[in-house]
Amino acid sequence: EAGVTQFPSHSVIEKGQTVTLRCDPISGHDNLYWYRRVMGKEIKFLLHFVKESKQDESGMPNNRFLAERTGGTYSTLKVQPAELEDSGVYFCASSQGRGIYEQYFGPGTRLTVT
Amino acid sequence: GENVEQHPSTLSVQEGDSAVIKCTYSDSASNYFPWYKQELGKRPQLIIDIRSNVGEKKDQRIAVTLNKTAKHFSLHITETQPEDSAVYFCAASITGNQFYFGTGTSLTVIP
Repeated sequence: EAGVTQFPSHSVIEKGQTVTLRCDPISGHDNLYWYRRVMGKEIKFLLHFVKESKQDESGMPNNRFLAERTGGTYSTLKVQPAELEDSGVYFCASSQGRGIYEQYFGPGTRLTVT
Repeated sequence: GENVEQHPSTLSVQEGDSAVIKCTYSDSASNYFPWYKQELGKRPQLIIDIRSNVGEKKDQRIAVTLNKTAKHFSLHITETQPEDSAVYFCAASITGNQFYFGTGTSLTVIP
Protein backbone atom coordinates (compact mmCIF):
# COMPACT_ATOMS: atom_id res chain seq x y z
CA GLU A 1 0.00 0.00 0.00
CA ALA A 2 1.43 3.36 -1.01
CA GLY A 3 1.84 5.85 1.77
CA VAL A 4 0.97 9.53 1.87
CA THR A 5 2.92 11.41 -0.75
CA GLN A 6 3.74 15.10 -0.93
CA PHE A 7 5.11 17.27 -3.68
CA PRO A 8 7.47 19.02 -3.89
CA SER A 9 9.89 17.80 -1.24
CA HIS A 10 11.57 21.19 -1.15
CA SER A 11 10.58 24.64 -2.35
CA VAL A 12 12.55 27.86 -2.17
CA ILE A 13 10.66 31.00 -3.12
CA GLU A 14 11.02 34.72 -2.63
CA LYS A 15 8.81 36.75 -0.37
CA GLY A 16 5.68 37.78 -2.22
CA GLN A 17 5.64 34.78 -4.53
CA THR A 18 3.05 32.02 -4.59
CA VAL A 19 3.62 28.36 -3.81
CA THR A 20 1.28 25.40 -4.06
CA LEU A 21 1.91 22.24 -2.10
CA ARG A 22 0.26 18.98 -2.98
CA CYS A 23 -0.69 15.98 -0.87
CA ASP A 24 -1.95 12.59 -2.02
CA PRO A 25 -3.42 10.65 0.91
CA ILE A 26 -3.62 6.89 1.27
CA SER A 27 -6.33 5.61 -1.03
CA GLY A 28 -9.65 5.29 0.76
CA HIS A 29 -8.75 7.63 3.61
CA ASP A 30 -11.53 10.16 4.06
CA ASN A 31 -9.62 12.30 6.55
CA LEU A 32 -6.81 14.54 5.38
CA TYR A 33 -4.86 16.88 7.62
CA TRP A 34 -2.30 19.61 7.09
CA TYR A 35 0.27 20.42 9.75
CA ARG A 36 3.28 22.70 9.83
CA ARG A 37 6.50 22.64 11.83
CA VAL A 38 8.45 25.83 12.14
CA MET A 39 12.09 25.12 13.03
CA GLY A 40 12.50 23.88 16.58
CA LYS A 41 8.84 24.21 17.44
CA GLU A 42 5.92 21.83 17.65
CA ILE A 43 4.12 20.28 14.71
CA LYS A 44 1.09 22.52 14.52
CA PHE A 45 -2.34 21.64 13.14
CA LEU A 46 -3.57 23.71 10.22
CA LEU A 47 -6.76 22.07 9.01
CA HIS A 48 -8.76 18.91 8.55
CA PHE A 49 -10.75 17.70 5.55
CA VAL A 50 -13.38 14.99 5.60
CA LYS A 51 -13.60 13.98 1.98
CA GLU A 52 -13.90 17.30 0.14
CA SER A 53 -15.30 19.30 3.07
CA LYS A 54 -13.28 21.42 5.47
CA GLN A 55 -14.11 20.01 8.89
CA ASP A 56 -11.84 22.24 10.93
CA GLU A 57 -9.65 25.06 9.67
CA SER A 58 -9.01 26.67 13.03
CA GLY A 59 -5.24 26.33 12.66
CA MET A 60 -4.88 28.23 9.40
CA PRO A 61 -2.65 31.24 10.17
CA ASN A 62 -4.37 33.81 7.95
CA ASN A 63 -6.12 34.31 4.65
CA ARG A 64 -2.89 33.97 2.67
CA PHE A 65 -3.33 30.22 3.06
CA LEU A 66 -5.89 28.38 0.97
CA ALA A 67 -6.47 24.64 1.11
CA GLU A 68 -8.59 22.64 -1.27
CA ARG A 69 -9.50 19.02 -1.73
CA THR A 70 -11.51 18.80 -4.89
CA GLY A 71 -13.25 15.48 -5.37
CA GLY A 72 -12.13 14.29 -1.98
CA THR A 73 -8.87 12.83 -3.22
CA TYR A 74 -5.66 14.86 -3.27
CA SER A 75 -5.32 18.21 -1.56
CA THR A 76 -3.44 21.40 -2.31
CA LEU A 77 -2.27 24.10 0.05
CA LYS A 78 -1.54 27.43 -1.57
CA VAL A 79 0.35 30.24 0.09
CA GLN A 80 -0.15 33.60 -1.61
CA PRO A 81 1.72 35.87 -1.14
CA ALA A 82 4.39 34.06 0.87
CA GLU A 83 6.04 35.77 3.83
CA LEU A 84 9.30 34.94 5.61
CA GLU A 85 7.46 33.48 8.61
CA ASP A 86 5.77 30.90 6.38
CA SER A 87 9.05 28.98 6.16
CA GLY A 88 8.89 25.54 7.70
CA VAL A 89 8.04 21.93 6.96
CA TYR A 90 4.47 21.30 5.86
CA PHE A 91 3.18 17.84 6.63
CA CYS A 92 0.11 16.15 5.30
CA ALA A 93 -1.49 13.20 7.06
CA SER A 94 -4.44 10.97 6.39
CA SER A 95 -6.60 8.59 8.37
CA GLN A 96 -9.59 6.39 7.75
CA GLY A 97 -13.10 6.59 9.08
CA ARG A 98 -14.57 8.45 12.01
CA GLY A 99 -13.19 8.35 15.51
CA ILE A 100 -9.68 7.79 16.69
CA TYR A 101 -7.44 6.29 14.05
CA GLU A 102 -3.73 6.44 13.34
CA GLN A 103 -2.75 9.43 11.26
CA TYR A 104 -0.27 8.45 8.57
CA PHE A 105 2.13 11.23 7.73
CA GLY A 106 3.72 12.18 4.48
CA PRO A 107 7.42 13.04 4.22
CA GLY A 108 6.70 16.76 4.29
CA THR A 109 7.48 19.71 2.06
CA ARG A 110 10.27 21.98 3.28
CA LEU A 111 9.33 25.53 2.32
CA THR A 112 11.92 28.27 2.49
CA VAL A 113 10.85 31.85 1.87
CA THR A 114 13.75 34.24 1.26
CA GLY B 1 -7.04 25.01 23.42
CA GLU B 2 -4.79 22.14 24.36
CA ASN B 3 -1.14 22.80 25.18
CA VAL B 4 1.42 20.00 25.18
CA GLU B 5 4.86 20.44 26.69
CA GLN B 6 7.65 17.97 26.05
CA HIS B 7 10.96 17.44 27.84
CA PRO B 8 13.83 17.13 27.36
CA SER B 9 14.46 18.73 23.98
CA THR B 10 17.63 16.69 23.52
CA LEU B 11 18.70 13.44 25.12
CA SER B 12 21.86 11.40 24.73
CA VAL B 13 22.18 7.90 26.14
CA GLN B 14 24.67 5.09 25.89
CA GLU B 15 23.61 2.09 23.87
CA GLY B 16 21.82 -0.36 26.11
CA ASP B 17 20.65 2.28 28.58
CA SER B 18 17.06 3.44 28.96
CA ALA B 19 15.58 6.69 27.67
CA VAL B 20 12.57 8.51 29.08
CA ILE B 21 10.71 11.37 27.44
CA LYS B 22 8.00 13.22 29.35
CA CYS B 23 5.00 15.22 28.19
CA THR B 24 2.31 17.17 29.97
CA TYR B 25 -1.01 18.33 28.60
CA SER B 26 -3.48 20.94 29.75
CA ASP B 27 -6.94 19.84 28.62
CA SER B 28 -8.45 17.09 30.74
CA ALA B 29 -10.75 16.22 27.81
CA SER B 30 -7.80 14.82 25.85
CA ASN B 31 -8.22 11.07 25.56
CA TYR B 32 -5.76 9.87 22.94
CA PHE B 33 -1.98 10.15 23.18
CA PRO B 34 0.16 8.98 20.25
CA TRP B 35 3.93 9.00 20.02
CA TYR B 36 5.65 9.55 16.68
CA LYS B 37 9.24 8.86 15.71
CA GLN B 38 10.89 10.81 12.93
CA GLU B 39 14.20 9.53 11.68
CA LEU B 40 16.44 11.90 9.81
CA GLY B 41 15.02 12.67 6.38
CA LYS B 42 11.99 10.45 6.89
CA ARG B 43 8.34 10.94 7.76
CA PRO B 44 6.95 10.86 11.30
CA GLN B 45 5.70 7.36 12.10
CA LEU B 46 3.49 6.21 14.91
CA ILE B 47 5.37 3.95 17.32
CA ILE B 48 2.90 3.57 20.14
CA ASP B 49 -0.29 5.17 21.41
CA ILE B 50 -2.41 5.07 24.52
CA ARG B 51 -6.00 5.96 25.29
CA SER B 52 -7.24 7.55 28.45
CA ASN B 53 -8.86 4.39 29.78
CA VAL B 54 -5.45 2.69 30.00
CA GLY B 55 -2.61 3.53 32.36
CA GLU B 56 0.22 1.75 30.61
CA LYS B 57 0.93 0.08 27.30
CA LYS B 58 3.99 -1.84 26.21
CA ASP B 59 5.32 -3.00 22.86
CA GLN B 60 8.63 -4.85 23.05
CA ARG B 61 11.25 -2.29 24.13
CA ILE B 62 8.94 0.72 24.21
CA ALA B 63 6.26 1.56 26.74
CA VAL B 64 4.02 4.51 27.45
CA THR B 65 2.50 5.47 30.77
CA LEU B 66 -0.35 7.86 31.36
CA ASN B 67 -1.30 9.68 34.54
CA LYS B 68 -4.65 11.36 33.91
CA THR B 69 -4.80 13.00 37.31
CA ALA B 70 -1.48 14.75 36.83
CA LYS B 71 -2.06 15.16 33.09
CA HIS B 72 1.23 13.73 32.02
CA PHE B 73 2.42 10.82 29.92
CA SER B 74 5.83 9.38 29.24
CA LEU B 75 7.65 7.27 26.68
CA HIS B 76 10.12 4.71 27.93
CA ILE B 77 12.62 3.00 25.67
CA THR B 78 14.66 0.21 27.19
CA GLU B 79 17.88 -1.37 25.89
CA THR B 80 18.38 1.47 23.47
CA GLN B 81 20.03 0.80 20.12
CA PRO B 82 21.62 3.18 17.59
CA GLU B 83 18.57 2.83 15.35
CA ASP B 84 16.48 4.41 18.11
CA SER B 85 18.23 7.71 17.35
CA ALA B 86 15.54 10.05 16.01
CA VAL B 87 13.25 12.90 16.97
CA TYR B 88 10.30 11.77 19.06
CA PHE B 89 7.05 13.72 19.25
CA CYS B 90 4.29 13.27 21.77
CA ALA B 91 0.77 14.42 21.00
CA ALA B 92 -2.63 14.71 22.62
CA SER B 93 -6.03 14.69 21.02
CA ILE B 94 -9.62 15.15 22.14
CA THR B 95 -11.47 14.07 19.03
CA GLY B 96 -8.86 11.94 17.30
CA ASN B 97 -8.66 14.53 14.56
CA GLN B 98 -6.66 17.56 15.58
CA PHE B 99 -3.42 16.42 17.20
CA TYR B 100 -1.58 18.80 19.53
CA PHE B 101 2.10 17.99 19.38
CA GLY B 102 4.96 18.66 21.71
CA THR B 103 8.12 20.36 20.45
CA GLY B 104 10.01 17.09 19.98
CA THR B 105 12.92 15.33 21.65
CA SER B 106 16.07 14.60 19.69
CA LEU B 107 17.37 11.29 21.01
CA THR B 108 20.92 10.20 20.27
CA VAL B 109 22.04 6.70 21.19
CA ILE B 110 25.79 6.53 21.48
CA PRO B 111 27.28 3.16 20.42
